[in-house]
Amino acid sequence: NAGVTQTPKFRVLKTGQSMTLLCAQDMNHEYMYWYRQDPGMGLRLIHYSVGEGTTAKGEVPDGYNVSRLKKQNFLLGLESAAPSQTSVYFCASSYPGGPRNEQFFGPGTRLTVL
Amino acid sequence: GENVEQHPSTLSVQEGDSAVIKCTYSDSASNYFPWYKQELGKGPQLIIDIRSNVGEKKDQRIAVTLNKTAKHFSLHITETQPEDSAVYFCAASGNQFYFGTGTSLTVIP
Repeated sequence: NAGVTQTPKFRVLKTGQSMTLLCAQDMNHEYMYWYRQDPGMGLRLIHYSVGEGTTAKGEVPDGYNVSRLKKQNFLLGLESAAPSQTSVYFCASSYPGGPRNEQFFGPGTRLTVL
Repeated sequence: GENVEQHPSTLSVQEGDSAVIKCTYSDSASNYFPWYKQELGKGPQLIIDIRSNVGEKKDQRIAVTLNKTAKHFSLHITETQPEDSAVYFCAASGNQFYFGTGTSLTVIP
């Protein structure tokens, strides 16, 4: 049981490049989330999904897109990376009870945009 | 939306002493308040949580208290150990999780 895994662990992009971050969970969770973590700002929700084929905007969605084609995977895309998107990105998933239950986090992806 | 404030941002204690971290929230609809511990290079992990119908919850050396009227909740760690050193985040949840800005706790041996 791997829990929540994220790919890649590290990435350096140049401004304007695109990339996709992959999140996978093997706990059969309905809900999945993408957060970014910046110094002094805690964790901020980018997008989330309440089930396969559904996505919704969180607190800071601009510049990101997501897709949930399969229940176990949640993809975060950056179409045209900007230095302001330099951050550590965390994926999380939770039980069908939704946000009132424990969120399980992945190990994070450290992204640097030059 | 919800606004969660967390204090202090850094905290140093001697091993064996107690540590207290406080959070306030703004949305009275929030009804679930988890605390997460994040070790260096890892994702946050839930250590304790409390729901709005409970005033206090304890799990060994860790306890959380909630004051709904004042909209604040606190994490208490007793008999601190070096392995308690980490960043701790509070969160308030209604429809979404809103996290505090984190407290870096250092336990000095």
